[in-house]
Amino acid sequence: SQQGEEDPQALSIQEGENATMNCSYKTSINNLQWYRQNSGRGLVHLILIRSNEREKHSGRLRVTLDTSKKSSSLLITASRAADTASYFCATDDAGNNRKLIWGLGTSLAVNP
Amino acid sequence: EAGVVQSPRYKIIEKKQPVAFWCNPISGHNTLYWYLQNLGQGPELLIRYENEEAVDDSQLPKDRFSAERLKGVDSTLKIQPAELGDSAVYLCASSHHRSGELFFGEGSRLTVL
Repeated sequence: SQQGEEDPQALSIQEGENATMNCSYKTSINNLQWYRQNSGRGLVHLILIRSNEREKHSGRLRVTLDTSKKSSSLLITASRAADTASYFCATDDAGNNRKLIWGLGTSLAVNP
Repeated sequence: EAGVVQSPRYKIIEKKQPVAFWCNPISGHNTLYWYLQNLGQGPELLIRYENEEAVDDSQLPKDRFSAERLKGVDSTLKIQPAELGDSAVYLCASSHHRSGELFFGEGSRLTVL
């Protein structure tokens, strides 16, 4: 069953704007990952943040993790039309044989 | 480095027919996953292998679904017989460490008529 929850479910912005997506989870985790999925394609790993980390950067991506609130955010700066995709978070459940728990995703549309 | 390879990319069958999907993971990746993804949803785990051992198949509908990973390399997922509700994308992924980054194939889109 899905336990991760991303919000918003859908987001539409203009090119050049920043996009922020949030992920909440329910269990203790070892790490949290963000993935991107273009329409009709497989998922592509973006970034992994460990439970003892609070912030991580990769290019135009910035991920934060607040374990006290059981939440994470993904910020895409200076968005491009090519960033149009669905974004999923996945948590590594520390108490369930480290099973990956996936969210329902945020659908991002970046308009040129 | 070759990625995760899945076939077929698309399959259309009549209900009650059998279907099989094949996955070749990235060389050296011990962990292999089969996921089901419905439109607008996140991936749902069907089965996870560590080498040739199925370590988590709790979500696999065993009355009609089966999977194997002979020799701990490539894997096959079978559905027999298929039902209308099985229409979905079947994703295969592999990883080097159990909790590390997953590498996904392009998926196999199944349509059951």
